[in-house]
Amino acid sequence: ETGVTQTPRHLVMGMTNKKSLKCEQHLGHNAMYWYKQSAKKPLELMFVYNFKEQTENNSVPSRFSPECPNSSHLFLHLHTLQPEDSALYLCASSQGNPGTSGYEQYFGPGTRLTVT
Amino acid sequence: AQSVTQPDIHITVSEGASLELRCNYSYGATPYLFWYVQSPGQGLQLLLKYFSGDTLVQGIKGFEAEFKRSQSSFNLRKPSVHWSDAAEYFCAVGALEYGNKLVFGAGTILRVKS
Repeated sequence: ETGVTQTPRHLVMGMTNKKSLKCEQHLGHNAMYWYKQSAKKPLELMFVYNFKEQTENNSVPSRFSPECPNSSHLFLHLHTLQPEDSALYLCASSQGNPGTSGYEQYFGPGTRLTVT
Repeated sequence: AQSVTQPDIHITVSEGASLELRCNYSYGATPYLFWYVQSPGQGLQLLLKYFSGDTLVQGIKGFEAEFKRSQSSFNLRKPSVHWSDAAEYFCAVGALEYGNKLVFGAGTILRVKS
């Protein structure tokens, strides 16, 4: 595998279910991100992890719970979601330091989540 | 507040015609900028970036962008569009003083007429 991978690619869940999204990066990066992309809205940053530590929670409801066990893996645990949470969830990774090119982020293909 | 504006929601161009997608930002004193492209059902692919140095940057797929600090702009250009360029394009801005957070524009959907 190369780049950033996400599983599953599609997920349909009921409002009472519990599920998890998985992201893995094969780029040797130290920072990982979760974004939410809804139709007709700008990309919304949800969480940022730097060197496995959460450094940003952008006022995300507690029904979304991130986990970063190491610099290569990022999870998003979902429970009691609402229909308005249906969206494309994108994972990204970057270097943990800006170096000479800023924090250029590389994205996975996303998980299309539908909450019924 | 930090913001990124892509004034055009949709743009339609004929295949072979030139393209310019606009991006204006209001951000920190030391911005770094990116353009990403997203095909339907896919993630975002990095097209090009500006961090420092030459203000005209070249990217993949024949795209280029010019950073104009005085206009707070980072417009994306391509001299001759191909049908495969049809996608959604996002401008993103970060600043060293804000760490590794990026702010994204709302996107511009490009349609290519044959």
